[in-house]
Amino acid sequence: LAKTTQPISMDSYEGQEVNITCSHNNIATNDYITWYQQFPSQGPRFIIQGYKTKVTNEVASLFIPADRKSSTLSLPRVSLSDTAVYYCLVGGMNSGYSTLTFGKGTMLLVSP
Amino acid sequence: NAGVTQTPKFQVLKTGQSMTLQCAQDMNHEYMSWYRQDPGMGLRLIHYSVGAGITDQGEVPNGYNVSRSTTEDFPLRLLSAAPSQTSVYFCASRRDIGYGYTFGSGTRLTVV
Repeated sequence: LAKTTQPISMDSYEGQEVNITCSHNNIATNDYITWYQQFPSQGPRFIIQGYKTKVTNEVASLFIPADRKSSTLSLPRVSLSDTAVYYCLVGGMNSGYSTLTFGKGTMLLVSP
Repeated sequence: NAGVTQTPKFQVLKTGQSMTLQCAQDMNHEYMSWYRQDPGMGLRLIHYSVGAGITDQGEVPNGYNVSRSTTEDFPLRLLSAAPSQTSVYFCASRRDIGYGYTFGSGTRLTVV
């Protein structure tokens, strides 16, 4: 199983860029890295997924170094509405469906 | 397009009672799964299905049964409710392993 390690919490202010790093030292060759966002009383929401280098979409960027032992979710110019828990998951085609487990995530608090 | 629909949203059970949590998706997704989320914890996988007629156990399957007779529906049955099953239950689906999950809004279950 590719276990992930994230900071328990992070604080930021509106308008700042936030980078949340996830460690996954035993990631397998075929594993993807996926990030989810969860607001209180809601189910998680898919943010972004990548395999290597950099992936960008309309809400975030995902940076993955060459050794793929870590990844960084980058949220540009956060707002109060970005306050949520962010989960990093690692898994993929050959690592079995049941290995896509959620850790405790990172609680991001954005202040005015 | 409703996505993933879970019913009921709230439920209180007495110890020993049985019930079924309903989950339906209208996206023709093959993969469906059930998670539970306890306070301060991430989501833990209960059961999953990779298609109609195919189910398997996740991380915490004891006390729960599932079946998948159609692509759309994936009900979760509590056989004999226990206070330890008090939790928020999320159903999720996805098109394929390389895609993100779509989650339902959850069922908050209390067992007294």
